[in-house]
Amino acid sequence: DVKVTQSSRYLVKRTGEKVFLECVQDMDHENMFWYRQDPGLGLRLIYFSYDVKMKEKGDIPEGYSVSREKKERFSLILESASTNQTSMYLCASSLETLRGGLTDTQYFGPGTRLTVL
Amino acid sequence: AQSVTQLDSQVPVFEEAPVELRCNYSSSVSVYLFWYVQYPNQGLQLLLKYLSGSTLVKGINGFEAEFNKSQTSFHLRKPSVHISDTAEYFCAVSDPGGYQKVTFGIGTKLQVIP
Repeated sequence: DVKVTQSSRYLVKRTGEKVFLECVQDMDHENMFWYRQDPGLGLRLIYFSYDVKMKEKGDIPEGYSVSREKKERFSLILESASTNQTSMYLCASSLETLRGGLTDTQYFGPGTRLTVL
Repeated sequence: AQSVTQLDSQVPVFEEAPVELRCNYSSSVSVYLFWYVQYPNQGLQLLLKYLSGSTLVKGINGFEAEFNKSQTSFHLRKPSVHISDTAEYFCAVSDPGGYQKVTFGIGTKLQVIP
Protein backbone atom coordinates (compact mmCIF):
# COMPACT_ATOMS: atom_id res chain seq x y z
CA ASP A 1 0.00 0.00 0.00
CA VAL A 2 1.14 3.49 -0.84
CA LYS A 3 1.54 5.60 2.22
CA VAL A 4 1.62 9.38 2.19
CA THR A 5 2.18 11.00 5.55
CA GLN A 6 1.95 14.61 6.58
CA SER A 7 3.84 16.00 9.53
CA SER A 8 0.87 17.43 11.43
CA ARG A 9 -2.89 16.85 11.45
CA TYR A 10 -3.61 20.19 13.10
CA LEU A 11 -1.50 23.32 13.23
CA VAL A 12 -2.16 26.76 14.70
CA LYS A 13 0.12 29.65 13.75
CA ARG A 14 0.14 33.40 14.09
CA THR A 15 0.00 35.93 11.27
CA GLY A 16 3.46 36.60 9.89
CA GLU A 17 5.02 33.34 11.04
CA LYS A 18 6.93 31.13 8.63
CA VAL A 19 5.18 27.77 8.34
CA PHE A 20 6.53 24.47 7.06
CA LEU A 21 4.26 21.61 6.04
CA GLU A 22 6.06 18.35 5.38
CA CYS A 23 4.93 15.44 3.24
CA VAL A 24 6.62 12.06 2.83
CA GLN A 25 5.69 9.20 0.51
CA ASP A 26 7.14 5.71 0.73
CA MET A 27 6.48 4.33 -2.75
CA ASP A 28 9.21 5.95 -4.83
CA HIS A 29 6.73 8.11 -6.74
CA GLU A 30 8.15 10.72 -9.07
CA ASN A 31 5.28 13.19 -8.83
CA MET A 32 4.16 15.06 -5.74
CA PHE A 33 1.48 17.71 -5.24
CA TRP A 34 0.21 20.22 -2.72
CA TYR A 35 -3.46 21.21 -2.69
CA ARG A 36 -5.57 23.33 -0.44
CA GLN A 37 -9.17 22.35 0.21
CA ASP A 38 -11.81 24.93 1.10
CA PRO A 39 -15.59 24.49 1.44
CA GLY A 40 -17.37 25.22 -1.82
CA LEU A 41 -14.09 25.48 -3.73
CA GLY A 42 -12.96 21.85 -3.79
CA LEU A 43 -9.26 21.12 -4.25
CA ARG A 44 -7.00 23.74 -5.74
CA LEU A 45 -3.46 22.95 -6.82
CA ILE A 46 -0.77 25.08 -5.22
CA TYR A 47 2.45 23.51 -6.54
CA PHE A 48 3.60 20.22 -7.96
CA SER A 49 6.91 18.52 -8.60
CA TYR A 50 7.74 15.83 -11.14
CA ASP A 51 11.33 15.24 -10.04
CA VAL A 52 13.80 16.08 -7.31
CA LYS A 53 14.57 19.81 -7.25
CA MET A 54 11.91 20.43 -9.92
CA LYS A 55 8.77 22.43 -9.16
CA GLU A 56 5.92 23.90 -11.12
CA LYS A 57 3.28 26.41 -10.11
CA GLY A 58 -0.28 25.28 -9.88
CA ASP A 59 -3.40 27.43 -9.89
CA ILE A 60 -2.81 29.37 -6.67
CA PRO A 61 0.93 29.61 -5.90
CA GLU A 62 0.90 33.13 -4.47
CA GLY A 63 2.10 33.25 -0.88
CA TYR A 64 3.57 29.75 -1.02
CA SER A 65 6.84 28.11 -1.99
CA VAL A 66 7.97 24.48 -2.08
CA SER A 67 11.08 22.42 -1.71
CA ARG A 68 11.93 18.95 -2.96
CA GLU A 69 15.46 17.98 -2.00
CA LYS A 70 14.75 14.24 -1.83
CA LYS A 71 12.43 12.14 -3.94
CA GLU A 72 10.27 11.05 -1.02
CA ARG A 73 9.80 14.45 0.61
CA PHE A 74 7.91 17.52 -0.59
CA SER A 75 7.63 20.56 1.65
CA LEU A 76 5.19 23.44 1.44
CA ILE A 77 6.35 26.75 2.90
CA LEU A 78 4.25 29.73 3.88
CA GLU A 79 6.83 32.51 4.04
CA SER A 80 4.61 34.84 6.07
CA ALA A 81 1.34 33.23 7.08
CA SER A 82 -1.85 35.21 6.68
CA THR A 83 -5.39 34.55 7.90
CA ASN A 84 -6.60 33.81 4.35
CA GLN A 85 -4.25 30.83 4.31
CA THR A 86 -6.33 29.11 6.98
CA SER A 87 -7.34 25.91 5.21
CA MET A 88 -6.95 22.16 4.89
CA TYR A 89 -3.73 21.27 3.07
CA LEU A 90 -3.50 17.97 1.24
CA CYS A 91 -0.37 16.37 -0.14
CA ALA A 92 -0.50 13.73 -2.87
CA SER A 93 1.86 11.63 -4.92
CA SER A 94 1.59 9.68 -8.15
CA LEU A 95 3.69 7.31 -10.17
CA GLU A 96 5.13 8.50 -13.43
CA THR A 97 3.91 6.11 -16.11
CA LEU A 98 4.56 6.06 -19.82
CA ARG A 99 0.82 6.34 -20.42
CA GLY A 100 -0.27 8.41 -17.49
CA GLY A 101 2.45 10.99 -17.21
CA LEU A 102 1.53 13.32 -14.45
CA THR A 103 -2.13 12.60 -14.70
CA ASP A 104 -2.83 9.12 -13.36
CA THR A 105 -4.05 8.10 -9.92
CA GLN A 106 -2.98 10.29 -7.01
CA TYR A 107 -2.48 9.02 -3.48
CA PHE A 108 -3.33 11.47 -0.74
CA GLY A 109 -2.12 12.07 2.77
CA PRO A 110 -4.57 12.63 5.64
CA GLY A 111 -4.28 16.41 5.44
CA THR A 112 -3.11 19.20 7.71
CA ARG A 113 -5.71 21.61 9.02
CA LEU A 114 -3.90 24.92 9.38
CA THR A 115 -5.38 27.81 11.33
CA VAL A 116 -3.68 31.20 11.11
CA LEU A 117 -4.67 33.62 13.87
CA ALA B 1 -8.80 24.21 -20.56
CA GLN B 2 -10.53 21.36 -18.81
CA SER B 3 -13.17 21.76 -16.13
CA VAL B 4 -15.44 19.63 -13.98
CA THR B 5 -18.96 20.39 -12.78
CA GLN B 6 -20.54 18.53 -9.91
CA LEU B 7 -24.11 19.69 -10.00
CA ASP B 8 -25.12 18.70 -6.48
CA SER B 9 -23.27 20.00 -3.47
CA GLN B 10 -25.23 17.76 -1.09
CA VAL B 11 -27.21 14.58 -1.66
CA PRO B 12 -29.26 13.07 1.17
CA VAL B 13 -30.42 9.50 0.64
CA PHE B 14 -31.97 6.83 2.83
CA GLU B 15 -29.98 3.74 3.70
CA GLU B 16 -30.37 0.89 1.16
CA ALA B 17 -31.70 3.29 -1.49
CA PRO B 18 -29.87 3.81 -4.79
CA VAL B 19 -27.83 6.92 -5.42
CA GLU B 20 -26.39 8.77 -8.40
CA LEU B 21 -23.84 11.55 -8.05
CA ARG B 22 -23.53 13.63 -11.18
CA CYS B 23 -20.38 14.81 -12.89
CA ASN B 24 -19.98 16.64 -16.17
CA TYR B 25 -16.67 17.68 -17.68
CA SER B 26 -15.36 19.80 -20.49
CA SER B 27 -12.16 19.10 -22.33
CA SER B 28 -10.97 19.61 -25.86
CA VAL B 29 -9.11 16.30 -25.99
CA SER B 30 -9.53 12.76 -24.78
CA VAL B 31 -9.72 12.43 -21.03
CA TYR B 32 -8.98 10.41 -18.00
CA LEU B 33 -11.79 10.53 -15.42
CA PHE B 34 -11.69 9.74 -11.72
CA TRP B 35 -13.92 9.56 -8.68
CA TYR B 36 -12.30 10.01 -5.29
CA VAL B 37 -13.92 9.68 -1.87
CA GLN B 38 -13.03 11.57 1.29
CA TYR B 39 -14.26 10.18 4.60
CA PRO B 40 -14.47 12.59 7.55
CA ASN B 41 -11.06 13.77 8.72
CA GLN B 42 -9.20 11.82 6.08
CA GLY B 43 -7.46 12.43 2.77
CA LEU B 44 -8.92 11.43 -0.57
CA GLN B 45 -8.75 7.89 -1.89
CA LEU B 46 -9.49 6.58 -5.35
CA LEU B 47 -12.90 4.96 -5.89
CA LEU B 48 -12.56 4.25 -9.59
CA LYS B 49 -11.10 5.61 -12.80
CA TYR B 50 -11.67 5.57 -16.53
CA LEU B 51 -8.60 5.61 -18.72
CA SER B 52 -9.81 3.79 -21.83
CA GLY B 53 -11.79 0.73 -22.93
CA SER B 54 -15.15 -0.21 -21.43
CA THR B 55 -17.25 2.81 -20.59
CA LEU B 56 -18.70 1.13 -17.50
CA VAL B 57 -16.16 1.21 -14.72
CA LYS B 58 -16.49 -0.66 -11.46
CA GLY B 59 -14.78 0.54 -8.34
CA ILE B 60 -14.45 -0.27 -4.68
CA ASN B 61 -17.32 -0.53 -2.19
CA GLY B 62 -19.90 -1.42 -4.87
CA PHE B 63 -19.67 1.87 -6.78
CA GLU B 64 -19.65 2.13 -10.55
CA ALA B 65 -19.55 4.93 -13.10
CA GLU B 66 -20.31 5.24 -16.77
CA PHE B 67 -18.32 7.35 -19.19
CA ASN B 68 -20.64 9.01 -21.70
CA LYS B 69 -18.61 10.87 -24.28
CA SER B 70 -21.57 12.39 -26.12
CA GLN B 71 -22.97 13.86 -22.92
CA THR B 72 -19.51 14.55 -21.45
CA SER B 73 -20.58 12.91 -18.22
CA PHE B 74 -19.16 10.46 -15.72
CA HIS B 75 -21.92 9.87 -13.16
CA LEU B 76 -21.26 7.73 -10.10
CA ARG B 77 -23.86 5.17 -8.99
CA LYS B 78 -24.49 2.67 -6.25
CA PRO B 79 -27.61 0.48 -6.16
CA SER B 80 -27.89 0.36 -2.37
CA VAL B 81 -26.05 2.71 -0.04
CA HIS B 82 -24.88 2.04 3.48
CA ILE B 83 -24.33 4.39 6.40
CA SER B 84 -20.59 3.96 5.91
CA ASP B 85 -20.87 5.59 2.46
CA THR B 86 -21.45 8.96 4.12
CA ALA B 87 -18.55 11.00 2.76
CA GLU B 88 -17.62 13.66 0.24
CA TYR B 89 -17.11 12.55 -3.34
CA PHE B 90 -14.92 14.32 -5.86
CA CYS B 91 -14.96 13.93 -9.62
CA ALA B 92 -11.72 14.74 -11.45
CA VAL B 93 -10.55 15.01 -15.05
CA SER B 94 -7.14 15.06 -16.71
CA ASP B 95 -5.66 14.96 -20.18
CA PRO B 96 -3.87 11.67 -20.79
CA GLY B 97 -0.13 11.75 -20.43
CA GLY B 98 2.04 14.78 -20.62
CA TYR B 99 2.24 17.25 -17.80
CA GLN B 100 -1.27 18.53 -17.60
CA LYS B 101 -2.64 18.74 -14.11
CA VAL B 102 -5.69 16.97 -12.76
CA THR B 103 -8.74 19.21 -12.25
CA PHE B 104 -11.07 18.40 -9.39
CA GLY B 105 -14.74 19.26 -8.96
CA ILE B 106 -15.96 21.04 -5.86
CA GLY B 107 -17.28 17.83 -4.32
CA THR B 108 -20.65 16.31 -3.44
CA LYS B 109 -21.47 15.45 0.16
CA LEU B 110 -23.42 12.22 0.38
CA GLN B 111 -25.45 11.95 3.57
CA VAL B 112 -26.90 8.50 4.17
CA ILE B 113 -29.91 8.63 6.49
CA PRO B 114 -30.67 5.61 8.66
